[in-house]
This record gives sequence, structure tokens and C-alpha cells, in this order.
Amino acid sequence: DVKVTQSSRYLVKRTGEKVFLECVQDMDHENMFWYRQDPGLGLRLIYFSYDVKMKEKGDIPEGYSVSREKKERFSLILESASTNQTSMYLCASSDRGDEQYFGPGTRLTVT
Amino acid sequence: GQSLEQPSEVTAVEGAIVQINCTYQTSGFYGLSWYQQHDGGAPTFLSYNALDGLEETGRFSSFLSRSDSYGYLLLQELQMKDSASYFCAPDTGGFKTIFGAGTRLFVKA
Repeated sequence: DVKVTQSSRYLVKRTGEKVFLECVQDMDHENMFWYRQDPGLGLRLIYFSYDVKMKEKGDIPEGYSVSREKKERFSLILESASTNQTSMYLCASSDRGDEQYFGPGTRLTVT
Repeated sequence: GQSLEQPSEVTAVEGAIVQINCTYQTSGFYGLSWYQQHDGGAPTFLSYNALDGLEETGRFSSFLSRSDSYGYLLLQELQMKDSASYFCAPDTGGFKTIFGAGTRLFVKA
């Protein structure tokens, strides 16, 4: 069974703080993704990575950066958290284009 | 540009059949996936259509017409546990998949 884990289910941070969201997958997948999900907007792609140290911007990369130093781990970084980054963050991995495996999500609140 | 349209909400009765439609416009297209997401849960993969036609997996079937840029998810013998959000997700190539706002399905007793 593919397993994608995320470091926290719930996180509360203050405006201006640097925030790290970690994601680990155990199926040796090449591709990993970070999405945010907001009511009425569905899932929006922030960044994805198709190989170690490789990254591509998604649809809403502003205010975020990512790091992929190891194949199994993909980190999302909020350099200076803002209240409009309060959201559910979902990590996913895949080895092909048809099926992505999602982690449980991190609900981030920025106050 | 790229666009994706699904109904925002659908309500159906337990035991009935419901169809959730999806129309898409993308710059590249390799296939159409469907995902289910229960409240508070993560999206889980249901099906993928790469070719035109109907794919059946138990109570769920998915259809694709590439020429019409259209697909649907058909849920039969609805159960209360099918109440969830359903997302169609075109695979645009380069491992990028587009997710829209999804369709919230309410199943009533």
C-alpha cells in the first residue's frame, strides 16, 4: 500500500513566521506535488517535483518555495506566512499521470 | 486557457443512480481521472479514462468522449457512504493534473 504522510494534521502559526510542511512517501515515486484546498476553489497546484532537486511551479507558487533533497521527501516552505495562506495543504505522489496518492493533509491557520 | 466545469452540488436518494458530468478545456490532454473526497479526508483515486468509452469498477463507472471534451462519473445503487465530493481531473501531460472545485454529492435516505 502506498503511504504518503505529512508532518502535521493541524498547525497554527503567526504572521511573518517561516513555516515548513513536510511530506514523505514510501513507494519510490518520481513525482510529488503540493496543493492547497480552499472551499469553492478545489485543489490548486502550488509546486511539483519530478525528480530529486527538480521542481516546477504550479498555478499558485507565489509566497511558497519547495525543497526535494531526497526522493521520498518533499517540503513546502512558507518564507513569511500570511493570513491568506490559511488553508488545507495536501501533498501527493505518483509514478504516472493517471493516479495520485494523497497524504491526510495539514490544516494551517495563520493568525 | 484551461477550464473545468462540474456541477457544484448533486442530491440523490439512497439506491438511486446519479451521473456527475465534467467538461474540460485544456492545452494538452492524456486522460481523465476521478477522485472521491470525504469531509476531512484526502482525495482518493476512483478511475482513469485514457480512451473513449465506459470503464466500470463495481458500482462506479466512468465515461470519456475526447472529441466532446466531456466525461462523467456514474454511481449506481447509491449508499449513504457515497456522500462526498467528487473531482474530475484532466491529465494535461508532464504529470500535471488539473483539479476543479468538485461536485458535492448528498445522498438522502
